[in-house]
This record gives sequence, C-alpha cells and structure tokens, in this order.
Amino acid sequence: GAVVSQHPSWVICKSGTSVKIECRSLDFQATTMFWYRQFPKQSLMLMATSNEGSKATYEQGVEKDKFLINHASLTLSTLTVTSAHPEDSSFYICSARDRSPTTYNEQFFGPGTRLTVL
Amino acid sequence: QKEVEQNSGPLSVPEGAIASLNCTYSDRVSQSFFWYRQYSGKSPELIMSIYSNGDKEDGRFTAQLNKASQYVSLLIRDSQPSDSATYLCAVNPWGFKTIFGAGTRLFVKA
Repeated sequence: GAVVSQHPSWVICKSGTSVKIECRSLDFQATTMFWYRQFPKQSLMLMATSNEGSKATYEQGVEKDKFLINHASLTLSTLTVTSAHPEDSSFYICSARDRSPTTYNEQFFGPGTRLTVL
Repeated sequence: QKEVEQNSGPLSVPEGAIASLNCTYSDRVSQSFFWYRQYSGKSPELIMSIYSNGDKEDGRFTAQLNKASQYVSLLIRDSQPSDSATYLCAVNPWGFKTIFGAGTRLFVKA
C-alpha cells in the first residue's frame, strides 16, 4: 500500500517551453501533497504544499507563477514548470500524506522526475 | 526556526556491524518522527515511523525516541552493503509540514 506514482520519470525539453509533471496516490487518498526539488548531492528542498481544492502554499523564494501547482482531486496533483530554463534542471519529487488515522503525517514519495532543460 | 540536525557523514561501518544514525530536533511540540532511506538518484523511501518514547523494532531496524532530549536515532543491525544510502530524519509537529534533516550518508564496507 501507500504507492505514489509520478509521470514522466524523466523529461528533456528546450529552454522556454513548459513541462507538466503528474503525481498520483494510487491506493490512498491524500489530504496533502508536497513538491520537492533536489539538486545533485544536496538536500530535499520543499517547493510547495498543496491541498485538494485549494491554492498551493509556496515556500519562500519559490516563484508561484513559474511553478504552477494544481491539486484537482484527492489522488492527483500536477506541477507545471513554465518557461523552463537550464537552471530549472533538477530532480523533482512529489510526496503525499495519507488521510488514514493510523498513518497520519506519514509522507510517501513518488519515484521522482528528472528534468533536463537544454 | 524549526530544525532537524543530522551528521552528514559519511558514516562507514563494516558489513555485519551495527550502524547508528542520530538526529536532534528543535521543536518540542513535535509528535511524529520518521526515518527515510534515499539511494543515490532515487527518491526517499519511508522505513520507520515512531510516535512515542522508547524503541520500535522492525526487522534489522530499530528506531529510538527520547522526547525529553529531543533526540531520535536509527540502528541498523547486521549492516549490509545494500544498506549504503543516505538516511533522512524527519519530524512533524502534528498538522504542520514535515521538516527533513539534510541526511547522513552511510557506507557499509563488504
């Protein structure tokens, strides 16, 4: 149980284009989903928190107009990197928090999406 | 500033030994504590959750929590080369966002 999928697993795009990454909780309903970014050999960096049906909360320094987050249902959240540039190349990882009272606050991570912007 | 501190390592142990990973946290109201394992190039995987003081064992893993000292640890018995990874300590003060440590790199020598 507690499986989170991400699609695509990797993507290469040209500078200036937009890329959408999907995150799905496959066998549970997620009250909250999180988006992280991780550069090589660095720590996880939380970008934003999204709750179903409401606007995402972005961390300080993260441009909300550049990283668009939509949490359309209890099982799906999307991150769109708009007008991507080479410095946006990174490993993007989503995670989902289970609603179950027995696993409350546990976060389960998707496999990640490696984005390369040329 | 809510913080979770870990020694970055690397922690090197021989195969078959016990690996001891430590973590301290600053927020006294924290109620949920987690250990994640992250292999290079992969996403984190939850390996242990602990909510009350004391020890919690799961196979070769034992999590230890001491809320008074604001300290949580992970012991890995009979360490294997496949345990070589970065271990992330994470702390959640009910309902607030989970705070992750920077991780400790563990290297198990065959």
